[in-house]
Amino acid sequence: EVQLVQSGAEVKKPGESLKISCKGSGYSFTSYWIGWVRQMPGKGLEWMGIIYPGDSDTRYSPSFQGQVTISADKSISTAYLQWSSLKASDTAMYYCARQGIAAPRPNNWFDPWGQGTLVTVSS
Amino acid sequence: SYVLTQPPSVSVAPGKTARITCGGNNIGSKSVHWYQQKPGQAPVLVVYDDSDRPSGIPERFSGSNSGNTATLTISRVEAGDEADYYCQVWDSSSDHFYVFGTGTKVTVL
Repeated sequence: EVQLVQSGAEVKKPGESLKISCKGSGYSFTSYWIGWVRQMPGKGLEWMGIIYPGDSDTRYSPSFQGQVTISADKSISTAYLQWSSLKASDTAMYYCARQGIAAPRPNNWFDPWGQGTLVTVSS
Repeated sequence: SYVLTQPPSVSVAPGKTARITCGGNNIGSKSVHWYQQKPGQAPVLVVYDDSDRPSGIPERFSGSNSGNTATLTISRVEAGDEADYYCQVWDSSSDHFYVFGTGTKVTVL
């Protein structure tokens, strides 16, 4: 079974750093792009960026470029999303999701999705 | 950047048909994908490439795409279909790549 399992919920203070993870299993981790999607409380889905674990090729949405860093460790089939200095406005649910079909470029749908990691930033 | 517009809400009686639209400039030239998100859960893909269904998704879910509008149709609606639905395209002409629609809340009366 193809599965993405994300790390647990986090409560942080503004200015702190954070790295959340997404572990893939049941498929060739290096052959599929993995994306990150933000969902702020009561709001819709926003694509943040995507990484190809095979060669770490990474693309960011202009809305999130410079705000977060996406990385992957293919030796442990895990992708990461990290912040160097959190803000209260980063409070949201964050999902990782695998691109639906293996492709050399990002170009299709997301399936499956991880269960989500809730990040709360509050003083 | 490319914008996808959905109606905020759609209400439908059990057993009837729900149609959720997704509007975008010449969206018919793109592949449209649809996700269902129930409260407190992660999104689930229900239709990809305009009209294909992943395994395990009921045939009651179907999609179409033409001109400036894509449509997700849910036939014989059940109470369990109550959820938020999002359309999504991959836009090669912008840096935003993966574009999600604004989302539609489907309420089963």
